[in-house]
Amino acid sequence: DARVTQTPRDKVTEMGQEVTMRCQPILGHNTVFWYRQTMMQGLELLAYFRNRAPLDDSGMPKDRFSAEMPDATLATLKIQPSEPRDSAVYFCASGFLLAGGTGELFFGEGSRLTVL
Amino acid sequence: SQQGEEDPQALSIQEGENATMNCSYKTSINNLQWYRQNSGRGLVHLILIRSNEREKHSGRLRVTLDTSKKSSSLLITASRAADTASYFCATYSMNTGFQKLVFGTGTRLLVSP
Repeated sequence: DARVTQTPRDKVTEMGQEVTMRCQPILGHNTVFWYRQTMMQGLELLAYFRNRAPLDDSGMPKDRFSAEMPDATLATLKIQPSEPRDSAVYFCASGFLLAGGTGELFFGEGSRLTVL
Repeated sequence: SQQGEEDPQALSIQEGENATMNCSYKTSINNLQWYRQNSGRGLVHLILIRSNEREKHSGRLRVTLDTSKKSSSLLITASRAADTASYFCATYSMNTGFQKLVFGTGTRLLVSP
């Protein structure tokens, strides 16, 4: 049963610390998205990759967030330094998406980040 | 920014009743999707309707799409307590070259036994 795997599931850290969230997309999927979910903002798209190449990261605060996909089995989202306002649930989703925007996404269970 | 707005924000019904959720979006689309999120879990894809379709069924789900009004509705018939979740519509919007899947604000559905 293929699934998107995210680690850690829960992370509590102090302001200023570096946080790295990892995602293993479903094998064969060509697109990976990172979303952030909060009560106030809902689901925000942070960044996405197509065939491992970053296509758009305009949703991320550039000074502290970075997203990479070092290989087809791993996507990472890093926050350095972390701030309390970064507290949220971060979701990774993958899909086999066709040109012109067709295809469903498969979501991981999320990484709940709390920055004190 | 969100492409879609769901209405109502919250809906509370009894088991056996039907639940209808609406989604409005802003730009031209080629398809619209509905997802479900149980508390503390990731989103799960429910159904996709293409822009040239007006209605689609899947089990107890019925989705309609009106591209002239830029709106969609999700109907869950004969609801069950297990349907309690948040429901989101999502679109690949034209103003992003149909590249980004952007989600609406969601409807929280509570089905009481």
